[in-house]
Amino acid sequence: GNSVTQMEGPVTLSEEAFLTINCTYTATGYPSLFWYVQYPGEGLQLLLKATKADDKGSNKGFEATYRKETTSFHLEKGSVQVSDSAVYFCALSDRSGNTGKLIFGQGTTLQVKP
Amino acid sequence: EAGVTQFPSHSVIEKGQTVTLRCDPISGHDNLYWYRRVMGKEIKFLLHFVKESKQDESGMPNNRFLAERTGGTYSTLKVQPAELEDSGVYFCASSQDKGANYGYTFGSGTRLTVV
Repeated sequence: GNSVTQMEGPVTLSEEAFLTINCTYTATGYPSLFWYVQYPGEGLQLLLKATKADDKGSNKGFEATYRKETTSFHLEKGSVQVSDSAVYFCALSDRSGNTGKLIFGQGTTLQVKP
Repeated sequence: EAGVTQFPSHSVIEKGQTVTLRCDPISGHDNLYWYRRVMGKEIKFLLHFVKESKQDESGMPNNRFLAERTGGTYSTLKVQPAELEDSGVYFCASSQDKGANYGYTFGSGTRLTVV
């Protein structure tokens, strides 16, 4: 079945460091891929998305490229800030059954220290 | 526009009690989803409504969970009787389109603790 695997956390970085959170997936067909973020005390927010191979999603300085050949969608940011501290979830859309449900990874906690 | 609203934000109940979670989707969104994150693990799909009809309830863990969406507006998720393993964060989401091509809008979640 479809699944998403994220790198284990927590990830602790200093401010202005480079961030990579790895995400790989297994899916039949051609899912859309997403990164969601949950800031402390808040709900899940869509950070970025890519709907087909080689698409690059970007938002707030974060980027991720849909790599079909490596089944990956790694999240990157060139210079993190303390305000980026949150839990990040990689997800894919499960188009089987036509419900539009999302399959999530286990989440990666990012802590950015000043 | 108002976002997806969930309440309560937190609930602590004893094992064997009943709890009802509520979700108010964005007005006009026919699709409503429930998800759950247990003990820091992945967020898992529970079920999907289109208006008042259950489109997919394959993720519901067992018959102690009952979801309703009367009139196709707000939805409730009842757990009766609650067990310790039901503790977690329950998220609701809504979307205008059924497909997840563009993502949904999620609520802030209800943190349920069963003691």
